[in-house]
Amino acid sequence: DAGITQSPRHKVTETGTPVTLRCHQTENHRYMYWYRQDPGHGLRLIHYSYGVKDTDKGEVSDGYSVSRSKTEDFLLTLESATSSQTSVYFCAISDPPLAGSTDTQYFGPGTRLTVL
Amino acid sequence: DQQVKQNSPSLSVQEGRISILNCDYTNSMFDYFLWYKKYPAEGPTFLISISSIKDKNEDGRFTVFLNKSAKHLSLHIVPSQPGDSAVYFCAASYEVFPKLSFGAGTTVTVRA
Repeated sequence: DAGITQSPRHKVTETGTPVTLRCHQTENHRYMYWYRQDPGHGLRLIHYSYGVKDTDKGEVSDGYSVSRSKTEDFLLTLESATSSQTSVYFCAISDPPLAGSTDTQYFGPGTRLTVL
Repeated sequence: DQQVKQNSPSLSVQEGRISILNCDYTNSMFDYFLWYKKYPAEGPTFLISISSIKDKNEDGRFTVFLNKSAKHLSLHIVPSQPGDSAVYFCAASYEVFPKLSFGAGTTVTVRA
């Protein structure tokens, strides 16, 4: 989706190094999400945001932190990267669901992170 | 504990035939179900969804069937085309809870 970009697209780093991934949207959607994709697990939610400065944990949040100071940007930080955080990271956006509907999420192109 | 399960990691089908992808869930609170398609090196893209008040939703070549009593849904692709070769993820959500639970995915390969 051209309205969602992720940077960097690829990164190789060393264990113990801090890493920040950026998600940027031009769609003005209220909700933003960070997922990781690993073989055999599908996509698992790390953190999500339901507005500027409003964030909450997902199912695999340990070792990750997030920040959202503007509607369009959602940052994911690995304070001290570990090899278990080698993964593909996807950002997604959505709007609050209307009554009788659900929030269809739209995904960015992903960031492949390798922690050596 | 994974609440959405896709027990078939892969599926191979001949071009023009039907592809059937299956998905099971354990949480009876889920009331929306979605299918996403993913090509290599790209993000997942939304394909089709169904509300728990329905048992079928159709969009062109794609049809999703929901069996609430069995906590089972399936995606039918008819006819299958080479461009359908991708990984398909099943996902589920609560209406008032903006989070999706995903299955592990099924890789579909359409043979010429």
